[in-house]
Amino acid sequence: AQTVTQSQPEMSVQEAETVTLSCTYDTSESDYYLFWYKQPPSRQMILVIRQEAYKQQNATENRFSVNFQKAAKSFSLKISDSQLGDAAMYFCASSGNTGKLIFGQGTTLQVKP
Amino acid sequence: SQTIHQWPATLVQPVGSPLSLECTVEGTSNPNLYWYRQAAGRGLQLLFYSVGIGQISSEVPQNLSASRPQDRQFILSSKKLLLSDSGFYLCAWSAGRLGQGSNQPQHFGDGTRLSIL
Repeated sequence: AQTVTQSQPEMSVQEAETVTLSCTYDTSESDYYLFWYKQPPSRQMILVIRQEAYKQQNATENRFSVNFQKAAKSFSLKISDSQLGDAAMYFCASSGNTGKLIFGQGTTLQVKP
Repeated sequence: SQTIHQWPATLVQPVGSPLSLECTVEGTSNPNLYWYRQAAGRGLQLLFYSVGIGQISSEVPQNLSASRPQDRQFILSSKKLLLSDSGFYLCAWSAGRLGQGSNQPQHFGDGTRLSIL
């Protein structure tokens, strides 16, 4: 079975600073994918970034990047130059061969002006 | 481009009443479809998923059921709602064939906030 753990219920960052959200996972599958989703107060689920487990290079999307440590089963999200619009709940998720997503408990990010 | 529509956005129902939430996808064919529930301040729990018309897989035992009468239509139902059915329900879709190594990202609808009184 797959599990995803986010150990930080809440985080805060000053506007324009950098913040890192932690995520660890456990899976018995050899081929899997990892995702970060953002859920703003509107409660839409927005895909932020994804990482294929077979790729060693960390994924990057503009101000968002991941630190994927496969041996440690760690998948953290780094947000650079934080903006007020980044305030949201962030979910880490994994999917295996079935394509079904397993979500972590979420981290609420507060951005202070 | 592909879009996903979910309605209603908000629903208030009495205990014991029936439920029907609808989700449709446009701009793609044979999508994988999913229903999730999110309790307040919590993560998402997968309730059902479907890889094709009439094919429904249930992830957790519950008071709800799902149906897929058309390729791009996914319906979440209940004959008699319980207080514990309250929550935020999200429909999602993904491309690719599940179980064959395809892990396309899931795209979510705007959700339905269901309150049971």
